[in-house]
Amino acid sequence: QQQVKQSPQSLIVQKGGISIINCAYENTAFDYFPWYQQFPGKGPALLIAIRPDVSEKKEGRFTISFNKSAKQFSLHIMDSQPGDSATYFCAAKTSGSRLTFGEGTQLTVNP
Amino acid sequence: DAGVIQSPRHEVTEMGQEVTLRCKPISGHNSLFWYRQTMMRGLELLIYFNNNVPIDDSGMPEDRFSAKMPNASFSTLKIQPSEPRDSAVYFCASSSLDSGANVLTFGAGSRLTVL
Repeated sequence: QQQVKQSPQSLIVQKGGISIINCAYENTAFDYFPWYQQFPGKGPALLIAIRPDVSEKKEGRFTISFNKSAKQFSLHIMDSQPGDSATYFCAAKTSGSRLTFGEGTQLTVNP
Repeated sequence: DAGVIQSPRHEVTEMGQEVTLRCKPISGHNSLFWYRQTMMRGLELLIYFNNNVPIDDSGMPEDRFSAKMPNASFSTLKIQPSEPRDSAVYFCASSSLDSGANVLTFGAGSRLTVL
């Protein structure tokens, strides 16, 4: 019940396209849903996060869409750029617990 | 702030040798996490500490692995004896309990290769 399932495992997008990564969870007590971005040779870093009281959060070209009834959330990267090429992890947690990470998605944006 | 500092960045050792990885969390952070990353298993939480006390070590693979946090500014992850299947990137991360430990700041990682 603590799992967070992420898909796809890898994604190739052309420059200027939209990248979409999906995550699903089972634990309805989760109340915080962040996305982390990891570049090669670096540790993951917080990219954007959402709480379940809103259905969407946008920061620049990055948007989280949240569907509470379906227990799913997704990351949309608009106008994808080669510099966005990285591994993306979704995660979830309840208050007082530790983060549960998804399996990761390796995104490649071709020029 | 210099962020979470890990050492060494790279370690190559032979099977059976002892390996010690070190971490200095961000000053003022009172939660510390050790993760292991491999292609096959992704990011795995090994152990985490709150206020220097181990809270959950259920992710530690076996007795060969041990972790300590003697004070708020230093932690070690030790593997003894090391095996080739321990080859991975080990990350340390820290967070503040005051903010609900929601935001983890990761170090750059220690890449371990066991021959």
